[in-house]
Amino acid sequence: NAGVTQTPKFQVLKTGQSMTLQCAQDMNHEYMSWYRQDPGMGLRLIHYSVGAGITDQGEVPNGYNVSRSTTEDFPLRLLSAAPSQTSVYFCASSYSGEVNTEAFFGQGTRLTVV
Amino acid sequence: GENVEQHPSTLSVQEGDSAVIKCTYSDSASNYFPWYKQELGKRPQLIIDIRSNVGEKKDQRIAVTLNKTAKHFSLHITETQPEDSAVYFCAARADYKLSFGAGTTVTVRA
Repeated sequence: NAGVTQTPKFQVLKTGQSMTLQCAQDMNHEYMSWYRQDPGMGLRLIHYSVGAGITDQGEVPNGYNVSRSTTEDFPLRLLSAAPSQTSVYFCASSYSGEVNTEAFFGQGTRLTVV
Repeated sequence: GENVEQHPSTLSVQEGDSAVIKCTYSDSASNYFPWYKQELGKRPQLIIDIRSNVGEKKDQRIAVTLNKTAKHFSLHITETQPEDSAVYFCAARADYKLSFGAGTTVTVRA
């Protein structure tokens, strides 16, 4: 049981480049989300999805796109990387009901934009 | 949207003493309050959670209390041990969205 898998673990981008962070879960969770973690600021929600074909913006969505074509996958796209997007990115998934609502996190992607 | 505030930002305790972290939330629709522990370089992991219809929950050395009227909840760690050293995050969920506090760095001194 792999849980939530993120790739890559580390990435260095040049300003203006684009890339996709991958996230996959094998727990049949309806709810998936992306967070960024910066020192002293906790985890801030970028985008989330309550099921295949449904996505919505979180607290800090600018500069990022998402799609949810399957239940398992929820990729995060950086359209034109900026130094302000240097951060650690976590993907999380959970059931969307009132029970078993624990959010499981991937191992994170450390992104540096130079 | 939901705003979660967490205090203190750092906490240093002597091994064997208790640690208390406090959080407040703003959205009265929040109904689920988890606490996560994150060790250096690792992913956050759930240590305890509480739902809005419960006032207190305990699991061995950790306990969480919730005051819905005041919109605050707290984490209590008793008999702290060196392995409790980590960053702890509180969170509140409303409408599927999980909002996190800024985190508390706990250091347990031997």
